[in-house]
Amino acid sequence: DTEVTQTPKHLVMGMTNKKSLKCEQHMGHRAMYWYKQKAKKPPELMFVYSYEKLSINESVPSRFSPECPNSSLLNLHLHALQPEDSALYLCASSQGAGGYYEQYFGPGTRLTVT
Amino acid sequence: DQQVKQNSPSLSVQEGRISILNCDYTNSMFDYFLWYKKYPAEGPTFLISISSIKDKNEDGRFTVFLNKSAKHLSLHIVPSQPGDSAVYFCAASATYSGGSNYKLTFGKGTLLTVNP
Repeated sequence: DTEVTQTPKHLVMGMTNKKSLKCEQHMGHRAMYWYKQKAKKPPELMFVYSYEKLSINESVPSRFSPECPNSSLLNLHLHALQPEDSALYLCASSQGAGGYYEQYFGPGTRLTVT
Repeated sequence: DQQVKQNSPSLSVQEGRISILNCDYTNSMFDYFLWYKKYPAEGPTFLISISSIKDKNEDGRFTVFLNKSAKHLSLHIVPSQPGDSAVYFCAASATYSGGSNYKLTFGKGTLLTVNP
């Protein structure tokens, strides 16, 4: 099983809403990532979890709050987002915490903030 | 500052011919390079990678070449097939840069269209 799953596929939320994105992998990977991708741009790293501990936060605003409940799950909690936060949010995982491990991506959640 | 550059936003080739996608980088700390393919409404899919200790890596129809002195890599697809039509991202990492060593830096992507 080389699949990373993400739910929901699409999400529309108002600026006062609270919602969560979910990501799951069952490949035994110990590093998990959140990326944000705007149209016609490359993915931009937001957070990295290594062995369930947050190891990188790329200066992401506090309205995005990641959580790693266990080694297979990664959540991204959203609160008081802005319209410019509308984007494709990608989750990825890799076998280990090192740049030489290929990252496997999920299909993404298309987020629209109204 | 764009550390990974894909200067061709798009490329169109005929089915059966060779597709060559190019990527340049500026950070000399990068020592691992990857190519990802992305279809619309899907996440990127890992294709092939190369370590800086090699100059070539081949996997089926896909070959990646690395020229360290020129800080240039290329992805060759032979023969190209219509199903290869997608956006191709070049990505790089610096495996020994301490805490950020699992950060991938992506290029902007090249849209490959393979015409039947």
